[in-house]
Amino acid sequence: AQKVTQAQTEISVVEKEDVTLDCVYETRDTTYYLFWYKQPPSGELVFLIRRNSFDEQNEISGRYSWNFQKSTSSFNFTITASQVVDSAVYFCALSGMDSSYKLIFGSGTRLLVRP
Amino acid sequence: SAVISQKPSRDICQRGTSLTIQCQVDSQVTMMFWYRQQPGQSLTLIATANQGSEATYESGFVIDKFPISRPNLTFSTLTVSNMSPEDSSIYLCSVDSSAVNNEQFFGPGTRLTVL
Repeated sequence: AQKVTQAQTEISVVEKEDVTLDCVYETRDTTYYLFWYKQPPSGELVFLIRRNSFDEQNEISGRYSWNFQKSTSSFNFTITASQVVDSAVYFCALSGMDSSYKLIFGSGTRLLVRP
Repeated sequence: SAVISQKPSRDICQRGTSLTIQCQVDSQVTMMFWYRQQPGQSLTLIATANQGSEATYESGFVIDKFPISRPNLTFSTLTVSNMSPEDSSIYLCSVDSSAVNNEQFFGPGTRLTVL
């Protein structure tokens, strides 16, 4: 069975603080993909990143960085120097080669960045 | 990336009626999916829309309640039948733009309220 756990329901930080959103996953697929999506108050789902299971290299994109650790089945997301516009719900998701690419979502983490 | 549009963007419907949601993609895609996001919840896959054949439904979702069409590689519809207030949700279409890259993008969603 596949499962994604985002234990942090809600996080509140002050602008310019760094914040890390946790994601832990379970899968029996040998090849799988991990995703992060952002859902701002407007409701659309914004694709942030996709990571293959065989590529454990960490990735940085501007203020965003992702730490993929297969040993702990985690794919954490860090926002550096947070901004008010980062306020949103962030979803981690998993899809496996054996499951026809359908996405299994975590419950989401609501991030509130206060000015 | 694929550009996805959905119609309608939102609707308010009466109990017992049906609503058909359209999803249009600007390029041919192999896989299209329909997700539901109930208020304050995460996303749950309803079904995979297969071109030229019946949709594949996830556990808890049935064709009589959520009939799906996929007449070609750029278009799909989801009907929510015999609606009740519990069907009030955001319905999202997503596409896998490349079976190789497995990048999944979402449409803007249809916000449905059932009275």
